[in-house]
Amino acid sequence: EDKVVQSPLSLVVHEGDTVTLNCSYEVTNFRSLLWYKQEKKAPTFLFMLTSSGIEKKSGRLSSILDKKELFSILNITATQTGDSAVYLCASSGSARQLTFGSGTQLTVLP
Amino acid sequence: ETGVTQTPRHLVMGMTNKKSLKCEQHLGHNAMYWYKQSAKKPLELMFVYSLEERVENNSVPSRFSPECPNSSHLFLHLHTLQPEDSALYLCASSQEQGARGYTFGSGTRLTVV
Repeated sequence: EDKVVQSPLSLVVHEGDTVTLNCSYEVTNFRSLLWYKQEKKAPTFLFMLTSSGIEKKSGRLSSILDKKELFSILNITATQTGDSAVYLCASSGSARQLTFGSGTQLTVLP
Repeated sequence: ETGVTQTPRHLVMGMTNKKSLKCEQHLGHNAMYWYKQSAKKPLELMFVYSLEERVENNSVPSRFSPECPNSSHLFLHLHTLQPEDSALYLCASSQEQGARGYTFGSGTRLTVV
């Protein structure tokens, strides 16, 4: 059974801090790993990673995948209160559906 | 709006009621999904439709009944629910089944009383 584990479950930081969110996975016939941001209801897509060692970047957010160690990290630099959300990691494999982790609840205080 | 629209946004129903959740996408996607999101738990896949055929049913109780009349619409029919069914129900769509990630709707917050 495919499995995705995220850590930490929750994190409280102050504006300007840098945070690193972790995601480990066990997926049969791995195809991709995805990060989503969920603020109120609809998760919104952040990144899709398929290759090891290639950093994807969007503004202050970046993510990288390690297919050997089966994990990914999501970095957010110079955090802002608008970054407060649940960050979801998901992976797809031979099951062809996405398997999600429990998410990391990030709270950025002013 | 993400391109995937869910209605209603909120629903309160009694255990003997029958109601339906609706999901609509106009992104040209050919796969649609129902997920259940309970507090502090991973998103749970309920049903998958690909090209209007149900391809996944993850041991969901029969009190949940999906319907996909065409590639743009997906319903979840609810009857005789239990309080533990209270959750956020998210619909998603994708171009290929799981390959490129999903576009999610805003969800229906369901409360069973």
